[in-house]
Amino acid sequence: DADVTQTPRNRITKTGKRIMLECSQTKGHDRMYWYRQDPGLGLRLIYYSFDVKDINKGEISDGYSVSRQAQAKFSLSLESAIPNQTALYFCATSSMRGVYNEQFFGPGTRLTVL
Amino acid sequence: EDKVVQSPLSLVVHEGDTVTLNCSYEVTNFRSLLWYKQEKKAPTFLFMLTSSGIEKKSGRLSSILDKKELFSILNITATQTGDSAIYLCANAGGTSYGKLTFGQGTILTVHP
Repeated sequence: DADVTQTPRNRITKTGKRIMLECSQTKGHDRMYWYRQDPGLGLRLIYYSFDVKDINKGEISDGYSVSRQAQAKFSLSLESAIPNQTALYFCATSSMRGVYNEQFFGPGTRLTVL
Repeated sequence: EDKVVQSPLSLVVHEGDTVTLNCSYEVTNFRSLLWYKQEKKAPTFLFMLTSSGIEKKSGRLSSILDKKELFSILNITATQTGDSAIYLCANAGGTSYGKLTFGQGTILTVHP
């Protein structure tokens, strides 16, 4: 079984709809991250959480919100989706015991906003 | 603001060629530099570099870091079609321990 799972894997929605992407992990890691990937732009950080009570904005948080429901679960919401949020979204995890910051990625969610 | 720049952005070679991918960075409080390979979907970890001049090697892939000149290179020798992927460089540093700043990625295509 995968250590980091994301649901759904693909989603097509319309402008203005509310969307939630979910991430679960069985690695026992305390830190979780949400990234989006667009062609030619690499991975850009949306939000990150170092524990259940710690939520931080990344470089592109506008239009997104997150919830850390438990150590193992971190969800990303688009309150009112717009077409330029069409992208590949990744969840990642890491451990504070991993001194040098290696992150482990989920399989990604491809989101299309029409 | 932390910054990571990769070059080239894309590269097309034939099997057997050797390639060198570049990653330069600007970051406060450098901790490590990481390389990832992304094939179909999720990036997978290749190397983590923390010290200058010490080569990390795994099969045909190797990487080295220069902390004075603020760059790293990833070399792939005797390329194979299975090496076709996006190669991502990321830097761990800054004021928030645990965050990674990624470069744009290099798209490598290896033709038979």
